[in-house]
Formats: sequence, C-alpha cells, structure tokens
Amino acid sequence: EIVLTQSPGTLSLSPGERATLSCRASQSIRNNHLTWYQQKPGQAPRLLIYGASTRATGIPDRFSGSGSGTEFTLTISRLEPEDFAVYYCQRYDNSPTGDTFGQGTKLEIK
Amino acid sequence: QVQLVQSGAEVKKPGTSVRVACKTFGYTFTNYDINWVRQAPGQGLEWMGWMNPDNGHTGYAQKFQGRVVMTRDTSIGTAYMDLSSLGSEDTAVYYCARRQWRGGVRLDPWGQGTLVTVSS
Repeated sequence: EIVLTQSPGTLSLSPGERATLSCRASQSIRNNHLTWYQQKPGQAPRLLIYGASTRATGIPDRFSGSGSGTEFTLTISRLEPEDFAVYYCQRYDNSPTGDTFGQGTKLEIK
Repeated sequence: QVQLVQSGAEVKKPGTSVRVACKTFGYTFTNYDINWVRQAPGQGLEWMGWMNPDNGHTGYAQKFQGRVVMTRDTSIGTAYMDLSSLGSEDTAVYYCARRQWRGGVRLDPWGQGTLVTVSS
C-alpha cells in the first residue's frame, strides 16, 4: 500500500509570502495521478491541482503543482488571506487498495 | 451547474446502520463514478470506495469491506452509501464526490458532507 507523507505538518507564514508544501509517496505514483485539495473549516475539500501540475478551473495562478515519481510539491507564490487552510494530497491507483490521502498540511497565519 | 447534495445529519446507536444519500444535479449521472470519503472530527480524509452508476460496479477500501455497500437509483440520479455495525469510531463527516477522468483523474465536485454521530 502506498503511503503519502506530507510535510510540514503545520506551516506558519504571513500574507504575501511564498508557501511550499511537500507530498512524498512511499512508491512511485504512476501517470502522475497526484491531486491536491484545499479544505477550510466546516467546508468540503476543494480541488486545486490534478495530474500533479494542472490547475483546476477557477484556481488562481498563484497555485502551482510540480513533481513526479515519489516527490510532489504544491507552491503558493504569494499568500492571500483566503489561502490559509489545510491542504491534502491524494493519489489514485486502480488497485484493490484504492485511493490514498496524505495526512494534510495546515497553513496558518504567522 | 454540477452539484452533489447530500442528506442530512444522522445520530445512530452502536451496532446499527446508516444510509447517506448523494443526489446529483447538472450532469448525466451514469457517466461518472461516485466516490465516498470520510473525515473523523479533527482528522484527515479517508477514502472509502467507489461506485460506477452505469453498471453498479463497486470497489471498497479493504478497511470497510464487509461493512459498506454503495448503490444507486439511476431514475433519480442518487447514490447511496450504507455502513453497518457502527461504532464510535465511525463518527465522522461523510462526503460523496464525482470522479473525473478527462485530462487527469480527480474528485470534483464534492457534496457538502453529512455528519454521522454514533452514540449510545
């Protein structure tokens, strides 16, 4: 079973700063089936990035995804107040174990 | 506009079962898999399984096999998730989400979530 490890667990930054969130897989993720979601308190997750680097419709270009194999990164170039939330990575695999989520990174205001 | 609207909160006793409904709007129901994900209070996201609304085929996470059943009613564009033998550890918000494939696999959109509380 593939395990996704996100780091750091909590990231404290100020608006305007750059955020770099990491997602590491225990085995290589095929076809870059790596997705990023944002979740705010009391809300459902919101799709940000899929295919490791494709921004979803309506997502600002300050969000970008990169990586392949076992190392993936979500970058927010200049933090806006509404970006402070929890971010999850997820991998899809057509196997009996199914999808896996990382444990999340909480991005908080410093 | 594509929307997934879930049924309301439930309070259940240990050992009983719960059914959560996910009604879809704005697209052809049978064209996209529905996935279920849950989130215990203060915890992360946990994938439970998927269902193909066209043929009813399902796939469940090993942890839930034998306890979860995912079904659908195509006449009303609604998916259901039944979870049995509930314990306190099943207290969580349950989400349905549409699986998209074109251009890259992802879950989008998500339902608003259904809180299931298991308490004696």
